[in-house]
Amino acid sequence: NAGVMQNPRHLVRRRGQEARLRCSPMKGHSHVYWYRQLPEEGLKFMVYLQKENIIDESGMPKERFSAEFPKEGPSILRIQQVVRGDSAAYFCASSPPITGSEQYFGPGTRLTVT
Amino acid sequence: AQRVTQPEKLLSVFKGAPVELKCNYSYSGSPELFWYVQYSRQRLQLLLRHISRESIKGFTADLNKGETSFHLKKPFAQEEDSAMYYCALGPGGYQKVTFGTGTKLQVIP
Repeated sequence: NAGVMQNPRHLVRRRGQEARLRCSPMKGHSHVYWYRQLPEEGLKFMVYLQKENIIDESGMPKERFSAEFPKEGPSILRIQQVVRGDSAAYFCASSPPITGSEQYFGPGTRLTVT
Repeated sequence: AQRVTQPEKLLSVFKGAPVELKCNYSYSGSPELFWYVQYSRQRLQLLLRHISRESIKGFTADLNKGETSFHLKKPFAQEEDSAMYYCALGPGGYQKVTFGTGTKLQVIP
């Protein structure tokens, strides 16, 4: 099992461009979580998804941010019209559909907005 | 609302000295507590969880509901313990987990 994969590992975008971050969960995992880590801060929950469903998006900014986890393919975190404040490390985690499971983390994508 | 507080950003101890990383939480229900660790240039990984009540790499953590704490302890620090440690709180099940801001443990040789 290759573990949670995230790509790209590093992404540079200019202000106003779109950023697409991808997360492939571990095999057999149907739950995906996205977290953001700003410099000098801890991980902040953004969104929790199951296949084709958003379960909890209470941590997502109301504008410009969206997430999906289609039936086929990776989960995508999309940030439209990026601003400098979006520069951060974005982590994805996955877990199997078993109560109390731990979350397995990917290596993260570091987004830099210039 | 769920909240996790790790009061120390950095904790420096000498090799062989005891370690205690503090974690306090607030949660109205029955919490599930975790400690995650991130070694240099590695991904975040689970260190231990309170329901398993096990010791991993010499670390233990006891849930104290009266003090709403889940401090991480190790009697004798080793250099390879140097890492970022995150305390995390979940309501149980596969739902969102709230992380603390992390404590960087630095073990001095």
